[in-house]
Amino acid sequence: GAGVSQSPRYKVTKRGQDVALRCDPISGHVSLYWYRQALGQGPEFLTYFNYEAQQDKSGLPNDRFSAERPEGSISTLTIQRTEQRDSAMYRCASSSGRGQPQHFGDGTRLSIL
Amino acid sequence: AQSVTQLDSQVPVFEEAPVELRCNYSSSVSVYLFWYVQYPNQGLQLLLKYLSGSTLVKSINGFEAEFNKSQTSFHLRKPSVHISDTAEYFCAVKSANDYKLSFGAGTTVTVRA
Repeated sequence: GAGVSQSPRYKVTKRGQDVALRCDPISGHVSLYWYRQALGQGPEFLTYFNYEAQQDKSGLPNDRFSAERPEGSISTLTIQRTEQRDSAMYRCASSSGRGQPQHFGDGTRLSIL
Repeated sequence: AQSVTQLDSQVPVFEEAPVELRCNYSSSVSVYLFWYVQYPNQGLQLLLKYLSGSTLVKSINGFEAEFNKSQTSFHLRKPSVHISDTAEYFCAVKSANDYKLSFGAGTTVTVRA
């Protein structure tokens, strides 16, 4: 597609529910990144994929967070048993290669009640 | 590891006045530097980047930034702002041999008539 597409744009859910956030990168981009942005702060790195391989998940806060990119294109970030502290903007980015500039989607605003 | 400090969280400015957004970084290795912009209700967009070569880089809408290695800075400037420049601006850095972006906390620019 023309740009990075994320869905849903907004997600409100009750504490304890699982959520899945989707990212569709720019066509042909092999590298995909997830970031999380708390209110009043800049985005912080969560995880990185090269094609379908998750090469770095050092930024995932705990084992409730997981991500996959099974066919090397669309990626899903899953948060299990959500907590209020998970509320944030979740941003996905893609690039044509590991060192290339990253292009971001519009993000998913997640609110946990 | 890198870190980024954006020295101003809010910058109010009148239309047609100049603006400077300050960004300082810390890193022990060679870096690439970026400015991203987020317009109201939109996603993060890459505004300009420094990868190598000329230390002065320019965007298509009149912004410019200068990489100063000795002062570890990458300040963003525009000589005359428009109402449409109202947005949040993020400075970001990554190591030349890495893929993780480290962001500053952002600077909100509000342009008034």
